[in-house]
Amino acid sequence: GQNIDQPTEMTATEGAIVQINCTYQTSGFNGLFWYQQHAGEAPTFLSYNVLDGLEEKGRFSSFLSRSKGYSYLLLKELQMKDSASYLCAVRDSGKSTFGDGTTLTVKP
Amino acid sequence: GAGVSQSPSNKVTEKGKDVELRCDPISGHTALYWYRQRLGQGLEFLIYFQGNSAPDKSGLPSDRFSAERTGESVSTLTIQRTQQEDSAVYLCASSLGQGRAGTQYFGPGTRLTVL
Repeated sequence: GQNIDQPTEMTATEGAIVQINCTYQTSGFNGLFWYQQHAGEAPTFLSYNVLDGLEEKGRFSSFLSRSKGYSYLLLKELQMKDSASYLCAVRDSGKSTFGDGTTLTVKP
Repeated sequence: GAGVSQSPSNKVTEKGKDVELRCDPISGHTALYWYRQRLGQGLEFLIYFQGNSAPDKSGLPSDRFSAERTGESVSTLTIQRTQQEDSAVYLCASSLGQGRAGTQYFGPGTRLTVL
């Protein structure tokens, strides 16, 4: 079966750095995605990893270790607008399995 | 270009009635997904269409749920004899293909309330 674990909630301060972890156990692997979902809105794409290592895109970076079944999303220079839920999703052939999401609250 | 659209945006129905939810994917996207998201919870996979292949229905929670897709365009999710537990936001997403092209683009969702 598919199992994806993320912390339920995290809190951080504006301007700081936060790391959101995701561990997974899946029957197959064809890439890992991170999505951002603001309250009451649909998820939007943040990052994609299929090879081990770090992918950097502006203030957001994502890391993958396939051997450990582990990924993290790193958010730098936090802004209030970064308060949202962050969803880790593992793709297996066609479909993706989503974690329950990590709700990040950024405080001033 | 236009993104994924869904209709209706909100649907209130009485227990036992049937409902149809519609999704218009991004033009050219071969893959289409339906998810259910209950309040404060993650995305629950329902069904996946890829081109002309047989759909992956492994996430449908009961035989009251069904979905169709016409070619690589519109999809309809039907819930028969709705129950209060069906109340949720139903999200549709589409994607272009494999790898990074498997990025899913989500519609705004249909909020279903079963009284």
